[in-house]
Amino acid sequence: QMSLKESGPTVVKPTETLTLTCIFSGFSLSESEAGVGWIRQPPGKALEWLSLLFGSGDERYNPSLSNRLRITSDPSKNEVVLTMTNMDPVDTATYFCAHITGIDAFDFWGRGTLITVSS
Amino acid sequence: YDLTQPPSVSVSPGQAARITCSGDKLGKKFAWWYQQKPGQTPVLVVSLDDKRPSGIPERYSGSKSGDTATLTISGAQELDEADYYCQAWSGGSVIFGGGTKLTVL
Repeated sequence: QMSLKESGPTVVKPTETLTLTCIFSGFSLSESEAGVGWIRQPPGKALEWLSLLFGSGDERYNPSLSNRLRITSDPSKNEVVLTMTNMDPVDTATYFCAHITGIDAFDFWGRGTLITVSS
Repeated sequence: YDLTQPPSVSVSPGQAARITCSGDKLGKKFAWWYQQKPGQTPVLVVSLDDKRPSGIPERYSGSKSGDTATLTISGAQELDEADYYCQAWSGGSVIFGGGTKLTVL
């Protein structure tokens, strides 16, 4: 059974860089079509896709946020890390990581972690 | 690329609930649907336009006509009250619709 869990700070200050880690089990990024994505959801608002990393090394980014995002992986630790620079209060949201296989949907999700941007 | 959903849909228990998702050339793409209940993570309820993942009740179905995908919940129940999101791929990016709040009362 696949599982994913997000970890990171609960509060970041404006202009700081957010680093989120997704630790997963039950699958491997050594499979080229396996992928881990990041999705966020501001309180009371819709889902917004941020980034995606496939085992092939293919990186995808939301075009509207691509200049602020970087996704990396440490296969030996079954971890995927997302960094988002220049955080702003509007970035306050629950951040989810999720599993995907190829050009498909996110079938297994972490529980999410609430990140608040505040001075 | 945008996917447009109605903000809300309301039905009485036992009625069919239909939630639409429209997008440019969506007819040439696949659509997926998620259900999200308050405080919970999204759950995939329809895949590849009209495929029901394992464990999803038969009352959930998906269809598409032209550039509009539709999620239908036949005989909606109070436990189906949730936010529903459509998803597609465009230009190598994942796109989510704005979400629809389904009320069953």
